[in-house]
This record gives sequence, C-alpha cells and structure tokens, in this order.
Amino acid sequence: DGGITQSPKYLFRKEGQNVTLSCEQNLNHDAMYWYRQDPGQGLRLIYYSQIVNDFQKGDIAEGYSVSREKKESFPLTVTSAQKNPTAFYLCASSTNRQGIYGYTFGSGTRLTVV
Amino acid sequence: SQKIEQNSEALNIQEGKTATLTCNYTNYSPAYLQWYRQDPGRGPVFLLLIRENEKEKRKERLKVTFDTTLKQSLFHITASQPADSATYLCAPGGSQGNLIFGKGTKLSVKP
Repeated sequence: DGGITQSPKYLFRKEGQNVTLSCEQNLNHDAMYWYRQDPGQGLRLIYYSQIVNDFQKGDIAEGYSVSREKKESFPLTVTSAQKNPTAFYLCASSTNRQGIYGYTFGSGTRLTVV
Repeated sequence: SQKIEQNSEALNIQEGKTATLTCNYTNYSPAYLQWYRQDPGRGPVFLLLIRENEKEKRKERLKVTFDTTLKQSLFHITASQPADSATYLCAPGGSQGNLIFGKGTKLSVKP
C-alpha cells in the first residue's frame, strides 16, 4: 500500500543534541512538507519541498534543517538552536505544491526534550 | 496576515443529529478549501475539497459549503455517530500555494 512512513513514533532528546526525524513516501508525490503541532495550536509549516534538491522555509524554520536528496525522502533535523522542540511533528506529501487532491500525512513523531 | 478561525474549540452533540462546524478566513481569497479529520495521536486525513466556484460539495454523510462573500465554509455531518468523534481541521489554499490549517474543532458525538 502507498503511504508515508514517519519514524520513530516517539523520540527523546537531551538538551543540546541534534535529532533527525525520518519521512519516507512511496506515493510518487513531488511535494513534501514538515509541520509542527502543539496543543491548542494549528499545524505550523516548518519546511516544504516541491522537487528534489530544492526546499523552502515555512513559517517557523528557525532551529530546523531539511534535505531532499531523493524524491521519496524528506528528513527533518531538529538542531540545538531550536529553543522549544517538544512537539508533535507531522510529515505530509502531495502531488503538487497546491495540494489540490489533498495532502497525505504520516502518523507523526512525538519529540520530547528530557 | 492570513488568518483562519474555526469558531468552536469543541462541539458536543447527540448521536443522530447533524453536526455543523464553521471555518472563517480573513485577509486572503483562497481558490479552494479542504477539510481534514484528525484522531488523537494520528496525522490528519483528507476528507473533502471545495473550489471557489462551487457552492456545495457532498460525500456520503458529509456536506461542505463555501461562501466566498462571507469568507466562510461550513462542514456538516448528518446522522452523526460516535465514530465521527474527532478533531476536524479546515485548510484554505493559501496565496503562496501551500495549505494553511486552522486549529480545529473537536467533535464529540454522544450515544
């Protein structure tokens, strides 16, 4: 079955550490996205990519980095510069940037700083 | 700046009734609007898309309206069931092409 796989489901990070969240899709979608979700808040866009080797900052990119070396993969690194990284992270993909056929989301990674 | 308001954080209704959720947007004119369902600890799931030139769209027990004059979309679930309990997100297509998501309305359907 086609879909998006995010791993790990739960991740614990110590202060000052970088961590990388994985996102893989086999839907042959061109566009991929990373969102952050906090309690009582909507989904906030961190980064997005429309094609391989190209990506753009979203609304809250500070303290995060991404790469898009393959169409299927869009990993997100949460760096030590991110002041408040504890959140639920969601990866999504769509056939194109406009997402006119809807976004397909992964099941999320819950990151906790310990 | 672009702003989306889903005017109820939570909505409680009785099984069998129609649930109506509201989404209002300001400071832009989306060409389309999408609705998603999100269960606790899971990613959102796409339900319906409605374009600016469509007044209404239906899918089984779901109905969405889009009023570009009022800058509002209504999402209806008829004959609601406890299994419909979830958070529903509104997402107008933003001017930059990406979706912008509202905070959601948590629907609880009581048996």
